[in-house]
Amino acid sequence: QVQLVQSGPEVKKPGASVKVSCKPSGYTFTDNLIHWVRQAPGQGLEWMGWVNPNTGGTNLAEKFQGRVTMTRDTSTSAAYLEMTWLRYDDTAMYYCARDPRGWYFFDYWGQGTLVTVSS
Amino acid sequence: DIQMTQSPSSLSASVGDRVTITCRASQDIHNYLAWYQQKPGKVPKLLIHAAITLQSGVPSRFRGSGSGTDFTLTISSLQPEDVATYYCQEYDRYPSFGPGTKVDIK
Repeated sequence: QVQLVQSGPEVKKPGASVKVSCKPSGYTFTDNLIHWVRQAPGQGLEWMGWVNPNTGGTNLAEKFQGRVTMTRDTSTSAAYLEMTWLRYDDTAMYYCARDPRGWYFFDYWGQGTLVTVSS
Repeated sequence: DIQMTQSPSSLSASVGDRVTITCRASQDIHNYLAWYQQKPGKVPKLLIHAAITLQSGVPSRFRGSGSGTDFTLTISSLQPEDVATYYCQEYDRYPSFGPGTKVDIK
């Protein structure tokens, strides 16, 4: 069965960087886009962008351009989200999610990685 | 950017009631709309895509309708396990979520 397993919770200071991993299984890694979506505590869902595991190409929401990098490693079948210059309002649950058809909706989600930015 | 709105923001209904949630897009998104259910402390779950297509394994009491700018998610007979926040999401351009509708049992 399809699963996306993410790395564990992170606590970072303002200005630091964080890298979150997402390791899908149960399908061919390079067949589907991986999106990243975040959710601040008690808030709604916010799309951040996608990485194409086949080509390495990315498409980031304008808000995150310049501060977020999305990559993949085909040798380990893992996708990564890296965010720099963390701010307090980056505290959120970060989800990776699979795009079933390249249509920008999400059929399987990772369990989420809580990133807390605190001094 | 396409803006998504949902109404109501929350509702409380009895078990067995018919529940309707409305989602509106700021411009025509054709039928590029998905609905997700997020139970408290859990991961979002895809219920419906292409406005009306039920995802495999989702109970048939969930139904999506609409096209263009106005969409509806209907739960035909509310069950206790349906307590959750429901989000619509457009994917005509870039993914954009509505603010959510919280559903409780009265």
